[in-house]
Order: sequence, then structure tokens, then C-alpha cells
Amino acid sequence: QKEVEQDPGPLSVPEGAIVSLNCTYSNSAFQYFMWYRQYSRKGPELLMYTYSSGNKEDGRFTAQVDKSSKYISLFIRDSQPSDSATYLCAMSLYNFNKFYFGSGTKLNVKP
Amino acid sequence: SQTIHQWPATLVQPVGSPLSLECTVEGTSNPNLYWYRQAAGRGLQLLFYSVGIGQISSEVPQNLSASRPQDRQFILSSKKLLLSDSGFYLCAWSSPGHNEKLFFGSGTQLSVL
Repeated sequence: QKEVEQDPGPLSVPEGAIVSLNCTYSNSAFQYFMWYRQYSRKGPELLMYTYSSGNKEDGRFTAQVDKSSKYISLFIRDSQPSDSATYLCAMSLYNFNKFYFGSGTKLNVKP
Repeated sequence: SQTIHQWPATLVQPVGSPLSLECTVEGTSNPNLYWYRQAAGRGLQLLFYSVGIGQISSEVPQNLSASRPQDRQFILSSKKLLLSDSGFYLCAWSSPGHNEKLFFGSGTQLSVL
């Protein structure tokens, strides 16, 4: 079993839709949770990070963590064609220098 | 502010040739440094990470090696490339004790022919 599971998609939505991207994980010791956006042939860009259960909002993006269910989500409101990219979730442990990534979900926002 | 530089952006090499990819970080001291490989349509595979000069941890030995000759410089090398070494290589850094954020370079697309 992979430590981080992420549906690869692709996920296709119309412009303006609310997008929900999700990851599940198996290691209850994970403390930090990140979401990255990666355009084709570019390095992943850190969108959001959090280290507690609950919601964290930044503009159109909301990161949600449910540690009891070992489930994290990224919500994108009012999605735009420019949001079309692959979204990667990542997790890490306190004081341990490794990051664990999902395989990424490809999102396509249609104009 | 911190920046990470990775070059070259694209590289086409014949099988059996050597490889050297370089990554430097600016604006921070004693970063943790990482090399990842991303195969087409797949996730990120950690190759090496380093917590200090000369300190390299290998996750996927194979025919690749890494070195950290200076605090903010990380080099990925191979003496003889294989076809299977093709992929997208990413350098990344994090601050020690701050594992909530990992920052990536722009990547190198390596094609071994």
C-alpha cells in the first residue's frame, strides 16, 4: 500500500465550477500537508501548506485536513482555465527530512 | 527571498555518456537539498537528499550519484547514462526543522537516446 494515494484523473470541469481534489494517507504520524500545482514540464509550485486539522483558505483555494480519517482535500472555487494543471499532494513528518507525494491529479478546466 | 536555480532546462544525451546536473539555492543557509525524478505521468521519486556538505543519503542507488560540494550547491551525476535514466529531474530545498514546505526548481528534462 502506498503511503499517499491520489486519484490520477483526469478531472475535467467547466470554467467557474468548484473543484475538489483529494488524497488519502496511511501514516497517522504525518503532521504537515502540502498542495502543489505543476504545469507541464515545469517544477511543482507550492500552493498551500498546513499542519493541523481543519480548513485553511487562501483566495480561491481552501485546504482541508481530516486527520481522524487520514484524508486531505483541496478545493478550488470559481475555477479558471489557467488552473488546468496537475495537482500534487504531499506530506511530511516532524523532524524527518522526507516528503511523501501523491501521484498527482490532472485537472482540465474548460472555457 | 530564497530562490532555487536548476540547469540545464533540457538535455539530450546518448546512452553511455556522462551526466552532470547542477542546482543552487540562494537566500538561505544550510538548506536540506533533494533530487527527485518524475517519469512521464507518474509521481515523484526521491533519488537523493542532503542535510549538509558532503552528507548524501541515497534512496535509489542505480547508476546515479549526488554530491554537495558547497552549502547551497547540489549536483546529480552519472558516469554512463542508461535509456531508463530519461525523465524529468527536479531539485528541491527545505529549511531544516521546517518540513511543512518544500520548494522546487524548474526541472531538467533529460532524454537519453
